Amino acid sequence: KQEVTQIPAALSVPEGENLVLNCSFTDSAIYNLQWFRQDPGKGLTSLLLIQSSQREQTSGRLNASLDKSSGRSTLYIAASQPGDSATYLCAVWPDSGNTPLVFGKGTRLSVIA
Amino acid sequence: DTEVTQTPKHLVMGMTNKKSLKCEQHMGHRAMYWYKQKAKKPPELMFVYSYEKLSINESVPSRFSPECPNSSLLNLHLHALQPEDSALYLCASSLVGNTEAFFGQGTRLTVV
Repeated sequence: KQEVTQIPAALSVPEGENLVLNCSFTDSAIYNLQWFRQDPGKGLTSLLLIQSSQREQTSGRLNASLDKSSGRSTLYIAASQPGDSATYLCAVWPDSGNTPLVFGKGTRLSVIA
Repeated sequence: DTEVTQTPKHLVMGMTNKKSLKCEQHMGHRAMYWYKQKAKKPPELMFVYSYEKLSINESVPSRFSPECPNSSLLNLHLHALQPEDSALYLCASSLVGNTEAFFGQGTRLTVV
């Protein structure tokens, strides 16, 4: 059974720092990996989708990498801002037909001005 | 347009009430999902519809009844809920299974 782990569970950094959020998964047979952002009480916003054949994706200050063979992904946030404060969720699409997204428990990020 | 629209945003209902949550997307997605999320927990899958047919029911109690009237619309009918059913209910869609998922803003449900 696929399991997704995110480390750390919570992170507090001063504004301007570059930071890395980690995601690991137990079964390397994945189709896609998706990073989401969630603000308190709100829905999930898709940040980046990495297909299993890709190594990384970039969007603005965000860069996500994928090492499928070792079961790891990282989300790099450059020059963090207070507006980046949110919970970041990693989720994988297992490579088996009808199985939907498997979520990690998330990393709660606080960026202090 | 990558929008999934959920209504209502907030709902308070008594344990004897019947209510419905609505989810709509116009992206041509053929997979739609209902998730339940408790505070500080990740979303938990409830139901998956694929091409308007129920494909996954994660052993959800029968007081939750999903419906997919057409390819753009997903409903969740609620009846005789318990206070522990209070949560954020999220709808999502994707082109087909295992492609990029898009989520709505959720319905905050409180059962009193």
